[in-house]
Amino acid sequence: GQQVMQIPQYQHVQEGEDFTTYCNSSTTLSNIQWYKQRPGGHPVFLIQLVKSGEVKKQKRLTFQFGEAKKNSSLHITATQTTDVGTYYCNQGGKLIFGQGTELSVKP
Amino acid sequence: DTAVSQTPKYLVTQMGNDKSIKCEQNLGHDTMYWYKQDSKKFLKIMFSYNNKELIINETVPNRFSPKSPDKAHLNLHINSLELGDSAVYFCASRPWGAGDLDEQFFGPGTRLTVL
Repeated sequence: GQQVMQIPQYQHVQEGEDFTTYCNSSTTLSNIQWYKQRPGGHPVFLIQLVKSGEVKKQKRLTFQFGEAKKNSSLHITATQTTDVGTYYCNQGGKLIFGQGTELSVKP
Repeated sequence: DTAVSQTPKYLVTQMGNDKSIKCEQNLGHDTMYWYKQDSKKFLKIMFSYNNKELIINETVPNRFSPKSPDKAHLNLHINSLELGDSAVYFCASRPWGAGDLDEQFFGPGTRLTVL
């Protein structure tokens, strides 16, 4: 079935380093959403991308939607310990989540 | 006030038992979901309800039966629990009518452990 593949599965960084997670689909996506789940918590919506080539920023977070609308990325600049958690991409209308990227940040 | 609430937060039970998880949302949303998150943190949709009607029923054993008494509530009953049912179950809700352009609001989750 239709899937969104997310890589990497795990990422360990030193505080202050950058972090990127990628979401890829074999088919064109109508939109993509990103969620963050803190350890022991529940997924919380971060942002939605709809347009081809769209780039959105939230402070240190930069979200991109590919020109072909088949891939997306989330980039965090200068990670902090508060960034710890699992980041999921979600194919909005299909209720399909990527496998998630678990980010750990070493102080 | 909590937007999406679930009870109980933790549930530990023996194999073969029957248990229920309750979910309520006070956001006025028409659509509610149940997700299962396994030990590898993979989030998988189980059911989707719109205004008390079942919309999506993924490949889930028929031991799982959702019930929606009204559009603010979506409960999940599980019969004959098995070890593999151990997971975190999340309820979520979202408005209907905006297509797929609305965010989902998740409940805090219910951690089910089957012994």
